Amino acid sequence: DAKTTQPPSMDCAEGRAANLPCNHSTISGNEYVYWYRQIHSQGPQYIIHGLKNNETNEMASLIITEDRKSSTLILPHATLRDTAVYYCIVRVAYNTDKLIFGTGTRLQVFP
Amino acid sequence: GAVVSQHPSWVICKSGTSVKIECRSLDFQATTMFWYRQFPKQSLMLMATSNEGSKATYEQGVEKDKFLINHASLTLSTLTVTSAHPEDSSFYICSAQDRADYEQYFGPGTRLTVT
Repeated sequence: DAKTTQPPSMDCAEGRAANLPCNHSTISGNEYVYWYRQIHSQGPQYIIHGLKNNETNEMASLIITEDRKSSTLILPHATLRDTAVYYCIVRVAYNTDKLIFGTGTRLQVFP
Repeated sequence: GAVVSQHPSWVICKSGTSVKIECRSLDFQATTMFWYRQFPKQSLMLMATSNEGSKATYEQGVEKDKFLINHASLTLSTLTVTSAHPEDSSFYICSAQDRADYEQYFGPGTRLTVT
């Protein structure tokens, strides 16, 4: 079973920031938080991952709470092409740990 | 970098026939590859873990004799759906784990329709 819970759907206006929450209250000390997204009828695309510090890359920012029980993925300026299902996954990095996908959040960006 | 391809991208076959799907890591070596299945409006469900040169490990409820997995090289894994039936119609996605950094990269998926 997935170790994360996410809201099933969210809407966001184009150009605004999209903040996608994820709860992972049972995360272990050696587990990272990973985010992927899946655009309709495509394979999942890696977005970002982190352990406990906030992370930022060209796609998004990841904010992890101090107790590591939840996190937020931030798309700073959402575009229509960001419409997708976003998956938050916890896994042990740097080993062959399999990825277990939960139900994800369906983000709809509207004009 | 880190590109994973799947072939074919879509396939239609008749009930009772077998279909082979290929998953290739194009610019890295993958000791481990994973196969997922996704039904409409559902999440990805892990079917099996494939390790180069050894037998695949199947998730509970996945029939190993129906879904044959071969991982003969560090860049290629194949999934063969044997004696396909309409209920096997689904979106099949593979991921390959780069043995250099253990990150997983996904293929674009293969849409299988069994008539």
